[in-house]
Amino acid sequence: SAVISQKPSRDICQRGTSLTIQCQVDSQVTMMFWYRQQPGQSLTLIATANQGSEATYESGFVIDKFPISRPNLTFSTLTVSNMSPEDSSIYLCSAAGTGSTGELFFGEGSRLTVL
Amino acid sequence: GENVEQHPSTLSVQEGDSAVIKCTYSDSASNYFPWYKQELGKGPQLIIDIRSNVGEKKDQRIAVTLNKTAKHFSLHITETQPEDSAVYFCAASAVNNNDMRFGAGTRLTVKP
Repeated sequence: SAVISQKPSRDICQRGTSLTIQCQVDSQVTMMFWYRQQPGQSLTLIATANQGSEATYESGFVIDKFPISRPNLTFSTLTVSNMSPEDSSIYLCSAAGTGSTGELFFGEGSRLTVL
Repeated sequence: GENVEQHPSTLSVQEGDSAVIKCTYSDSASNYFPWYKQELGKGPQLIIDIRSNVGEKKDQRIAVTLNKTAKHFSLHITETQPEDSAVYFCAASAVNNNDMRFGAGTRLTVKP
């Protein structure tokens, strides 16, 4: 299994600002993903973080709003840009290991509240 | 794309009783079906999974069944304990994980 650390674990942000969430995995992983979980809701895939290239975004999510970086096999960042109260959510980093048999592991999440 | 439906949305059982959560999926190409448990303030944790070449899998008090023909799979928890109280999510994907889709979640409460 992979241990995934995210920071910040929570933050309160002002409308119009941007925040970058960091995700560190304790081992090299093939794939990394970013999910959003709105209060009381399920997990929605934002994008696949591709190492050394642009992320692959799901329908409804765009690079200008959610820029993602993945400089190596163990680290990724998600920025939530120009935040509004509707961006208040838990943002989850996840990873599938090398030689993956399908298991997806999650970090503890970053809970953002936008005022 | 894949669509996963999960029922019930809430489930309350007495300690020691069994709990069953059911999911259906739409994409016949899906062949990997994990279940996650999410406790308050934490990320989802994988508790059990099943692949399409298997009809049932058991791990102590937890079991999962899969019916590929009907495109549904279920989580069974026996002898429930208060610490089983959490939100449970089912998911479905092809093994490459690029398209893992989650159900809406079931909030399980086990009353002592």
